[in-house]
Amino acid sequence: EAGVAQSPRYKIIEKRQSVAFWCNPISGHATLYWYQQILGQGPKLLIQFQNNGVVDDSQLPKDRFSAERLKGVDSTLKIQPAKLEDSAVYLCASSPTGGSYNEQFFGPGTRLTVL
Amino acid sequence: GNSVTQMEGPVTLSEEAFLTINCTYTATGYPSLFWYVQYPGEGLQLLLKATKADDKGSNKGFEATYRKETTSFHLEKGSVQVSDSAVYFCALSDGQNFVFGPGTRLSVLP
Repeated sequence: EAGVAQSPRYKIIEKRQSVAFWCNPISGHATLYWYQQILGQGPKLLIQFQNNGVVDDSQLPKDRFSAERLKGVDSTLKIQPAKLEDSAVYLCASSPTGGSYNEQFFGPGTRLTVL
Repeated sequence: GNSVTQMEGPVTLSEEAFLTINCTYTATGYPSLFWYVQYPGEGLQLLLKATKADDKGSNKGFEATYRKETTSFHLEKGSVQVSDSAVYFCALSDGQNFVFGPGTRLSVLP
């Protein structure tokens, strides 16, 4: 079974530029999560999708971050414009059904550096 | 709100030493508890979980017991290997939200 795929693996941009990350979850997984992991900290949930609907985006900085999940499969996370403090690893995860009791399967992450 | 606290790292052990990584939580109700591991350059992987009080999760020689009376879920392994070097995250879920601790880096020396 293929795992969660993410691209790119690394990205370096200047502040105020835009950037987008892509995630392809495990086939058939209804729930998709985006996390931000700042160096030395645990992952922080940014947004959770159930199929193509948003379940929780309470910690997403909506003035600069946006995310979509077209057709309930792939998802993109965008930052526009980026700030220095956005430097982090962005993790995508998926789980088979709704409800956070289920195991989440994580992708390798995208490491973003904002200069 | 819900939260997870872990012992600060890094933890450095010699091969075959006994490992304990402490984890305590604050939550309403009866959350599920998890340990995830992140090997260098890789994504997080579920190591073990427990869904109710007194449950013991185990995998790859690691164990953790859900202790509701002490709100703890400490990770233990009797004999660590160099290949266990990684960052370990304690996490909880109340069915709505998933909360991770800050992680504990373990280094095992040969």
